[in-house]
Amino acid sequence: DAGITQSPRHKVTETGTPVTLRCHQTENHRYMYWYRQDPGHGLRLIHYSYGVKDTDKGEVSDGYSVSRSKTEDFLLTLESATSSQTSVYFCAISAGQGYYEQYFGPGTRLTVT
Amino acid sequence: KQEVTQIPAALSVPEGENLVLNCSFTDSAIYNLQWFRQDPGKGLTSLLLIQSSQREQTSGRLNASLDKSSGRSTLYIAASQPGDSATYLCAGYSSGYALNFGKGTSLLVTP
Repeated sequence: DAGITQSPRHKVTETGTPVTLRCHQTENHRYMYWYRQDPGHGLRLIHYSYGVKDTDKGEVSDGYSVSRSKTEDFLLTLESATSSQTSVYFCAISAGQGYYEQYFGPGTRLTVT
Repeated sequence: KQEVTQIPAALSVPEGENLVLNCSFTDSAIYNLQWFRQDPGKGLTSLLLIQSSQREQTSGRLNASLDKSSGRSTLYIAASQPGDSATYLCAGYSSGYALNFGKGTSLLVTP
C-alpha cells in the first residue's frame, strides 16, 4: 500500500456531464500521474504533475484537464464526458522521474452512457 | 516513443513449474524497467524495478533481468503457485515523464 486513494471507485455518468476524479496521497511525493487503461491499448498517460500547480499533458490528454492545488491531491476533470472516455482510470505517484519506482492507486471505473 | 511488447499474451502452466515472461522494448536508452502484477479488477502492484545501471533484481521467487543491448527484460517466476495467477505488466521509462507499458501477459497457474 503506497498510501494512494482514489475517489470515487465507480461512477456511471451521462454523455455531456462534467466529472471529476480525485487522487489523494499521504506520502508527500512530488510526482503524480493519471493513466487510463483500456483493452487493447494498455495503460496510457493522460496528464502528470511535477509539483503544486505544475502540470503537463501526456499522450492522451484531449478532453481532460487536471489541477493540483495541494501536494497530496491531484484532480482529473472530464469537462464534458463522452462514451470514448469510458475506461478505468489509475493515479500513480513517484518520488522523482526516471530512476524512481511508480506506485499505483486502486483505480476508478468510469462508465459514460 | 518507447514501444513495449510482451509475449506471450496468455500463458497457462501447472503448479510448480518455473516460468519466464518476456518483455521487449525498442529504445535501448532506457532509464529503468518496472514489472507489475495486476489482479482482475484491481490496481497495479509493483513487483520489481531494474534501474539502467543494474542487470537484475530479485524478490523472493521472482527474478527480473534487463539487457539493454538486446532490448529485452525477463521475469522469472520459480515454483509457480495458483496465487501467482494474474496479469503481469512491464513498463519502461526512457524519456519524458511517462512509463510506457506493454499490454501484459495473463498467467494462469492450475493446481
